[in-house]
Amino acid sequence: GAGVSQTPSNKVTEKGKYVELRCDPISGHTALYWYRQSLGQGPEFLIYFQGTGAADDSGLPNDRFFAVRPEGSVSTLKIQRTERGDSAVYLCASSQQGISYNEQFFGPGTRLTVL
Amino acid sequence: QQQVKQSPQSLIVQKGGISIINCAYENTAFDYFPWYQQFPGKGPALLIAIRPDVSEKKEGRFTISFNKSAKQFSLHIMDSQPGDSATYFCAASKGDYKLSFGAGTTVTVRA
Repeated sequence: GAGVSQTPSNKVTEKGKYVELRCDPISGHTALYWYRQSLGQGPEFLIYFQGTGAADDSGLPNDRFFAVRPEGSVSTLKIQRTERGDSAVYLCASSQQGISYNEQFFGPGTRLTVL
Repeated sequence: QQQVKQSPQSLIVQKGGISIINCAYENTAFDYFPWYQQFPGKGPALLIAIRPDVSEKKEGRFTISFNKSAKQFSLHIMDSQPGDSATYFCAASKGDYKLSFGAGTTVTVRA
């Protein structure tokens, strides 16, 4: 079956602009996660959704970052007033909650470059 | 701060050799320790995972060793193959949702 998909694969924007990154999780997965991976580093947790609600948004770096999942499937990560330091690969993952220690399946990521 | 420390940053191994990657953690609440493999341009993919109630887990050529008292765990790749050339990340979490990743180890297998 289809895995986690993310669009766009690459996004180049200018400092100060607004961007939206989209994630389509695996069908039936109730849990969805966003991570950020800077060059040469491991992924860093941003936010976790269980269904439509954000169960843990403690990893969001500041109030310029916001994520939604209005129907419990597709999620959008929104970044306002982008800064050069926001440049990274943004990874989305999903898992089937309700069973202990579920594998998180990652998408290929969106590479964001802020000029 | 980084909750999981990983070493080495990179390693080179001959085909057929053994690759060993080490990780250490501080948070004793962590109870799930997965290893992920990542190829360039791709997202991480789960390789193998362990819980602290066992000291070792083996799946094919991949083995996790876990030392709860030392708060350390390691990945051994036996009979390394060129197709194993990738970046490997250890991770840890309490429960299974908020993974804390190490910085990664780039493994190069020379034919």
